[in-house]
Amino acid sequence: RKEVEQDPGPFNVPEGATVAFNCTYSNSASQSFFWYRQDCRKEPKLLMSVYSSGNEDGRFTAQLNRASQYISLLIRDSKLSDSATYLCVVNMNGGSNYKLTFGKGTLLTVNP
Amino acid sequence: GAGVSQSPSNKVTEKGKDVELRCDPISGHTALYWYRQSLGQGLEFLIYFQGNSAPDKSGLPSDRFSAERTGGSVSTLTIQRTQQEDSAVYLCASSWTSGTTDTQYFGPGTRLTVL
Repeated sequence: RKEVEQDPGPFNVPEGATVAFNCTYSNSASQSFFWYRQDCRKEPKLLMSVYSSGNEDGRFTAQLNRASQYISLLIRDSKLSDSATYLCVVNMNGGSNYKLTFGKGTLLTVNP
Repeated sequence: GAGVSQSPSNKVTEKGKDVELRCDPISGHTALYWYRQSLGQGLEFLIYFQGNSAPDKSGLPSDRFSAERTGGSVSTLTIQRTQQEDSAVYLCASSWTSGTTDTQYFGPGTRLTVL
């Protein structure tokens, strides 16, 4: 299994749609999980951390299933401005957060 | 406040030349990271600094790559005898510490093209 594997995409959805991204990770000892967003030719920016209990930030919901080593991101009522590449990111290094492992990303295009 | 800055934003060089890429982290951030993003690939960890020390250099692709950090602030990534496969976007990030709750903030990157 690849260290961090994401849906290859791309996803093309109409405005207002709900879209879900999936991610799996290989190291069961991983402790920190994140979703980053990267706009075209820009740097990645943290979208949200992912907690075991699941967490929500407005239209965005992140879920973690440690048993299945699976992370998801749900975007509800998608906007044109949500168009970007979404990166699943996992800390494979246990207690220290320095060694983040990034998935290749899933490109989302929201169409009018 | 000011974010992470990197220079140059673009660098075109000839195969075999040396290049230096610079990163200015967010003021007060003790941890600094270098990543590389090649076309169609995910971000690849290169090296991590805590203060001026580099506890983990395991991601550096070859001995042509080196990095240093001085004064707990600015970092320079040097690539000697560049090869075409070194072409990529080199991203720097910084965080308060390397703790599990500390967010890494990325700079805009340096796009390196080796002809």
